[in-house]
Amino acid sequence: RKEVEQDPGPFNVPEGATVAFNCTYSNSASQSFFWYRQDCRKEPKLLMSVYSSGNEDGRFTAQLNRASQYISLLIRDSKLSDSATYLCVVNGAEGSGYALNFGKGTSLLVTP
Amino acid sequence: EAGVAQSPRYKIIEKRQSVAFWCNPISGHATLYWYQQILGQGPKLLIQFQNNGVVDDSQLPKDRFSAERLKGVDSTLKIQPAKLEDSAVYLCASSPTLAGVGNEQFFGPGTRLTVL
Repeated sequence: RKEVEQDPGPFNVPEGATVAFNCTYSNSASQSFFWYRQDCRKEPKLLMSVYSSGNEDGRFTAQLNRASQYISLLIRDSKLSDSATYLCVVNGAEGSGYALNFGKGTSLLVTP
Repeated sequence: EAGVAQSPRYKIIEKRQSVAFWCNPISGHATLYWYQQILGQGPKLLIQFQNNGVVDDSQLPKDRFSAERLKGVDSTLKIQPAKLEDSAVYLCASSPTLAGVGNEQFFGPGTRLTVL
């Protein structure tokens, strides 16, 4: 079983739509969770950290369910500029130096 | 603040040749990472340095890959000899503090390697 699993998509949505991405992780000892965004042929960049209580940053909302080992990202009022690949990221165990484990990414295309 | 620098940006080599990549992390960042990203996959950690010591190299194919971070600043990643399956983008990242919970990693633009 992979450490971090995501639906690869692609998700094709019209501008203004709400879209949700899901992610599951296998290591119950993981302590840090993130969503990174990666534009085509660019490097990944941190979108937001994910906290146990859930957190929101503008149109983006992240949720964490530790019991189910499940992370989600909700994007409201999608913009054309949101088109990218969204990577679910979970930190590893202490023995690995807390290295980050990346999912394969979910591809989003927002259309006019 | 300058970001993570990598060179070269692109490299094309034939199989069995050698290649080296260079990374200069953000100034003052203690932790440096090398990732391999194959097309359609997420980045996979190859090696993690904390200052000039190796923290994790469990996924580094040591028969052909090597990396060093002399003086705890710049780092080089070498592949010798290259195989077709090494075609990927090699990303370098750094984080400001010692490895731990919640550190954001800042990525460089990557080196796109094509092995023919």
